[in-house]
Amino acid sequence: GENVGLHLPTLSVQEGDNSIINCAYSNSASDYFIWYKQESGKGPQFIIDIRSNMDKRQGQRVTVLLNKTVKHLSLQIAATQPGDSAVYFCAETSRDDKIIFGKGTRLHILP
Amino acid sequence: DARVTQTPRHKVTEMGQEVTMRCQPILGHNTVFWYRQTMMQGLELLAYFRNRAPLDDSGMPKDRFSAEMPDATLATLKIQPSEPRDSAVYFCASARGARNNEQFFGPGTRLTVL
Repeated sequence: GENVGLHLPTLSVQEGDNSIINCAYSNSASDYFIWYKQESGKGPQFIIDIRSNMDKRQGQRVTVLLNKTVKHLSLQIAATQPGDSAVYFCAETSRDDKIIFGKGTRLHILP
Repeated sequence: DARVTQTPRHKVTEMGQEVTMRCQPILGHNTVFWYRQTMMQGLELLAYFRNRAPLDDSGMPKDRFSAEMPDATLATLKIQPSEPRDSAVYFCASARGARNNEQFFGPGTRLTVL
């Protein structure tokens, strides 16, 4: 989910389990949504996107769900692996190209 | 493989000094973004360009920050004079043309202003 300030929300998941990271977006006019993964010391990396005319999109081990009614986005990671440890950001954009990023959620994988 | 490059990777400077950060977008990408990341504010868009023309720099403090694209292979972000509150990681990202295309981020410049 979203958070403000120094401390990112942390999701701890057992290796092999599924992870679900949630995000609430603010602009009802946003029509394109992206999930980014940021590993320590690196720039954000695109994971998956979804347009507002869709409710669900699947990639390799990842699924994004969009609920426009409540302005909610989620990222599901199947069979979480140690390499999935990172901070995950949702982002939204509307008619212009500006992307507004959420505050991020840290995913911690338990051995 | 194609990637966005940024220099320097780290910069430590004293308050009042000029700082210039450089970015080389991926060849063929004509949209370039500058972001700033801090613990408190997260990722903030500072400015972006398309075909070297600035489209939006509303996220940038105008009195001390300036962003330019001298040519298609170089984007610069300059801070003059720098202040301690400018300490952050500055990311450049590039994308190919049309809206809603994937942005590719560089590794960032970590700036510390003492």
